[in-house]
Amino acid sequence: AQSVTQLGSHVSVSEGALVLLRCNYSSSVPPYLFWYVQYPNQGLQLLLKYTSAATLVKGINGFEAEFKKSETSFHLTKPSAHMSDAAEYFCATLGRRALTFGSGTRLQVQP
Amino acid sequence: GAVVSQHPSRVICKSGTSVKIECRSLDFQATTMFWYRQFPKQSLMLMATSNEGSKATYEQGVEKDKFLINHASLTLSTLTVTSAHPEDSSFYICSARDGPGTEIYEQYFGPGTRLTVT
Repeated sequence: AQSVTQLGSHVSVSEGALVLLRCNYSSSVPPYLFWYVQYPNQGLQLLLKYTSAATLVKGINGFEAEFKKSETSFHLTKPSAHMSDAAEYFCATLGRRALTFGSGTRLQVQP
Repeated sequence: GAVVSQHPSRVICKSGTSVKIECRSLDFQATTMFWYRQFPKQSLMLMATSNEGSKATYEQGVEKDKFLINHASLTLSTLTVTSAHPEDSSFYICSARDGPGTEIYEQYFGPGTRLTVT
């Protein structure tokens, strides 16, 4: 079964610093991978997706992720954190019938 | 963009009572809706998938008689938690898929409903 694991339930960075949120996948076939963001009291919003095309995927709000098959990873990065990036981030993959999510990483941005 | 709403956003009910949660697609027709459950510090777990006008497909381990799902129209799905117990307290999130021709990952999520059973 396809699954994803997010390393670190909480990540804290300073404003302007690099954001790195980690996600590793487990799949016997080329996976579809996604990153979602959830702001307080709001629904999940798709940041970006990997669907077996380019390995470096650019998303909204300046985020990007690189698919690395050798490391079975799909880490999310942003060069410079903004206060508005504080939220919960979920890595996900495509399961049998629907999306399968990681446990989430809460990003805190310090002024 | 596509918007999905949920009502209520928070609900507190007494043990043994039933509570209904609504999920609406506001500006598109949702042929498929998904219901997820999220425990604190845990990932979203798919409970069931519902297609308009047909019975919901429940994931293994989800009690269909306890979690009643109705998808009577292309814009509304409801989840009824029957005879609620404290262990049913959770965050319930719905999502909707815009048309059968879209990829399964093209889902729009509602803001969630926090259920607390006392």
